[in-house]
Amino acid sequence: DAKTTQPTSMDCAEGRAANLPCNHSTISGNEYVYWYRQIHSQGPQYIIHGLKNNETNEMASLIITEDRKSSTLILPHATLRDTAVYYCIVSVQGAQKLVFGQGTRLTINP
Amino acid sequence: EAGVAQSPRYKIIEKRQSVAFWCNPISGHATLYWYQQILGQGPKLLIQFQNNGVVDDSQLPKDRFSAERLKGVDSTLKIQPAKLEDSAVYLCASSLSYGSNQPQHFGDGTRLSIL
Repeated sequence: DAKTTQPTSMDCAEGRAANLPCNHSTISGNEYVYWYRQIHSQGPQYIIHGLKNNETNEMASLIITEDRKSSTLILPHATLRDTAVYYCIVSVQGAQKLVFGQGTRLTINP
Repeated sequence: EAGVAQSPRYKIIEKRQSVAFWCNPISGHATLYWYQQILGQGPKLLIQFQNNGVVDDSQLPKDRFSAERLKGVDSTLKIQPAKLEDSAVYLCASSLSYGSNQPQHFGDGTRLSIL
């Protein structure tokens, strides 16, 4: 599975959009980009995933560059409850093998 | 729908003792995973089941760890004997089926402390 690189930590003001970057320059054509988050003392929570098109759901939007070497997770209106560690994972669809890195610790400030 | 249930929530044992964790996946989910999460790190996959068969146990320390899912529903993970480095959160996850596009759903884990 391709390796991902994320910033260690980020801050965002409550009510603003939080944009979390992820680099995956060695991604293969059949690998998807998955995003999970982990709130303190809870298990990881699925957010969104995509292959090459931008995706949006009730939680977030995923923007994948045309060359697929990087992506951005967007939380459009961040709340204090969005404070968590966010993991960007690249995995072959169907194999369902998630290799977690260190993730980005996102802090939403009031 | 009910989420992935795990018990106990916390466990404290002494090194060289044995311990077992239990997981009840989401109803109808054929694939079940056990992860180990050491403090400050991301979760690491230990073992993956499809129904009652093992798909991947390459990261499971088989000299001390064992897992089973006899009826293809509930699962138990056992450590015997425990070492200090086994202190971690043990997470269980499930998904609809191996090979599907469905995401994994995680329980809140069992926090194991080894004294």
